[in-house]
Amino acid sequence: DAGVTQSPTHLIKTRGQHVTLRCSPISGHKSVSWYQQVLGQGPQFIFQYYEKEERGRGNFPDRFSARQFPNYSSELNVNALLLGDSALYLCASSYYGSGRSSYNEQFFGPGTRLTVL
Amino acid sequence: DAKTTQPPSMDCAEGRAANLPCNHSTISGNEYVYWYRQIHSQGPQYIIHGLKNNETNEMASLIITEDRKSSTLILPHATLRDTAVYYCIVRTPMSGTASKLTFGTGTRLQVTL
Repeated sequence: DAGVTQSPTHLIKTRGQHVTLRCSPISGHKSVSWYQQVLGQGPQFIFQYYEKEERGRGNFPDRFSARQFPNYSSELNVNALLLGDSALYLCASSYYGSGRSSYNEQFFGPGTRLTVL
Repeated sequence: DAKTTQPPSMDCAEGRAANLPCNHSTISGNEYVYWYRQIHSQGPQYIIHGLKNNETNEMASLIITEDRKSSTLILPHATLRDTAVYYCIVRTPMSGTASKLTFGTGTRLQVTL
C-alpha cells in the first residue's frame, strides 16, 4: 500500500507570496495533521482535520489555513510568506481523529521543503 | 502540554542494545507516550507507543515507569541503519476528537562499528 504522499517535494517562494501544499493520506485514513519543522527542531503541530472538519489548531497565525476534501486529501495554504516560514512541512495521516483511541498512530509523509527568499 | 526531556545525543556500538531515556514528569493520566524517529530530515517514522504497561513490537521495546514520569526506548540490537534522531512524544488529546503530537528536540543516536 502507498504511504502518505505530499507534493511538491521542494518549493521556492519569495516573501509576500502564497503557497499551497498538498497531502494524500494512506488509503482508508480519515484524519490528516500538518506539522512545521524548522531546521534543527522537532516538528510543531499546525492543524488536524478529521472527516473534513478542523478538529485542532496549533499556535500559528491566521496566515496558515487548511482544508480536507471528500476523498480525505488535504491542502495547507500559507499567505503572505515570511522568511521564517522556511521549513519542512509534514503531513501525517491516521485512521481516527480521536485523542482517546490507542490505535491512532500518525504516519508521516516525506514532507515538502519550502524555502522563502 | 506535557513536555519531554531527552539527552541531545547518544552513541551505541552496532549489535549492542540502545537504551534511550525520556523524562515526562508532567504527563497526564490520559496521555500516551509515543516514540518516533527521523532519518535525514525524512518524515518521522512511528516506532512504538504505550500508556501504562511495557510494550514490545518488532522494532523496539518501551519501558514505562510505574509513576509514568519517565520511559526508556530499547533497540535490542542496534544497526547502522538505526542512526537517527529519536523523539519521545506525549500525545495530547485536544478538545473534541482531536489530538496532537508534541515533539521536543529529540536524541540523536549514532550507531558505530
